[in-house]
Amino acid sequence: KQEVTQIPAALSVPEGENLVLNCSFTDSAIYNLQWFRQDPGKGLTSLLLIQSSQREQTSGRLNASLDKSSGRSTLYIAASQPGDSATYLCAPKAGKLIFGQGTTLQVKP
Amino acid sequence: DTAVSQTPKYLVTQMGNDKSIKCEQNLGHDTMYWYKQDSKKFLKIMFSYNNKELIINETVPNRFSPKSPDKAHLNLHINSLELGDSAVYFCASSQGSGGVGYTFGSGTRLTVV
Repeated sequence: KQEVTQIPAALSVPEGENLVLNCSFTDSAIYNLQWFRQDPGKGLTSLLLIQSSQREQTSGRLNASLDKSSGRSTLYIAASQPGDSATYLCAPKAGKLIFGQGTTLQVKP
Repeated sequence: DTAVSQTPKYLVTQMGNDKSIKCEQNLGHDTMYWYKQDSKKFLKIMFSYNNKELIINETVPNRFSPKSPDKAHLNLHINSLELGDSAVYFCASSQGSGGVGYTFGSGTRLTVV
């Protein structure tokens, strides 16, 4: 049974900092892994999708890496902004998406 | 707008009632899902349909019954509502079961009193 852990559970940083969110999963037999963002009271927005054969994906200030063999993924956010404040969820997929509990990020101006 | 839309956004109801949540997507996706997010923010899949066929049915009480009249719609009917059913329910869709282009609706907050 896939279990997904995200560390830290919460993070508060000043604007402009670079930061790393961590995700670990127990079953490395995955098809892909996605990172999502959830704003309060809203649905999820897909940020990045990494196929199992890929090592990383980049979109703007976001970079996600995947080490399938060790069951780890990281989401790197460069030059954080207050608008980045949200909960970030990782979800490896093997048949179905299994979500971590998320990292709630607050970026202070 | 291309999106996954679900109604209602909020639903407050008494224990024992029966209620439905509707979901529609106009993205041309062939796979749709229902997720439940509890008070601790855990997001768990409940059901998945591909081209109107049920492909994932997690351990969900049989009071929950999904219905997919066509591949653009996936509704969720809940019988005999219980306090523990209070949660936010999210509909989502994707192209294929590989999860490409995963798009979520904005959620339905169900409160059972």
